Amino acid sequence: GAVVSQHPSRVICKSGTSVKIECRSLDFQATTMFWYRQFPKQSLMLMATSNEGSKATYEQGVEKDKFLINHASLTLSTLTVTSAHPEDSSFYICSARLWVETQYFGPGTRLLVL
Amino acid sequence: SQQGEEDPQALSIQEGENATMNCSYKTSINNLQWYRQNSGRGLVHLILIRSNEREKHSGRLRVTLDTSKKSSSLLITASRAADTASYFCATGNDTGANSKLTFGKGITLSVRP
Repeated sequence: GAVVSQHPSRVICKSGTSVKIECRSLDFQATTMFWYRQFPKQSLMLMATSNEGSKATYEQGVEKDKFLINHASLTLSTLTVTSAHPEDSSFYICSARLWVETQYFGPGTRLLVL
Repeated sequence: SQQGEEDPQALSIQEGENATMNCSYKTSINNLQWYRQNSGRGLVHLILIRSNEREKHSGRLRVTLDTSKKSSSLLITASRAADTASYFCATGNDTGANSKLTFGKGITLSVRP
């Protein structure tokens, strides 16, 4: 089956620093990847759609300068949380679209900003 | 914004029993999907049903879709302790490059051994 990995799985950083999260499709090429944010015991909220070779499309209310997305290849998308603050602490999940309707999800990255 | 609303929010059953989870949505859809999430992990795709389909089966899973009522149900038969997880419905409202998923709030299923 299609496998998506995320790195790191867990990160703790100081307030004001930037954190980069990688999302890789391991056995397929994905022209489109998605970044979600999930708060404890809540649903996934779509942050942005990442398209290879073009700018990401951000959902309403998501600051594009805060959450930088780069999709430089067909197997890698990165999310950089810039100048992280405690309110950015969350569970970040990426997914990669293989077929039009189906997304394969990574295992998630838990970010804690102190 | 969230589209799907699952109910119940939490469900606790005995191993061997069937678990039924419901999802309602508000706008027209192209497809509806169910995902499972184990605690602190990513999502696993369970099943997809298209708007022109009414019922679909996959192993112990049975999904129904009623577009007139804008609702779907997920039935897990002969539940196992390993089925303990959160279950989310997600609606796809478009095809092609613009397709994306909107997730419901999720249902926490506990299966007691």
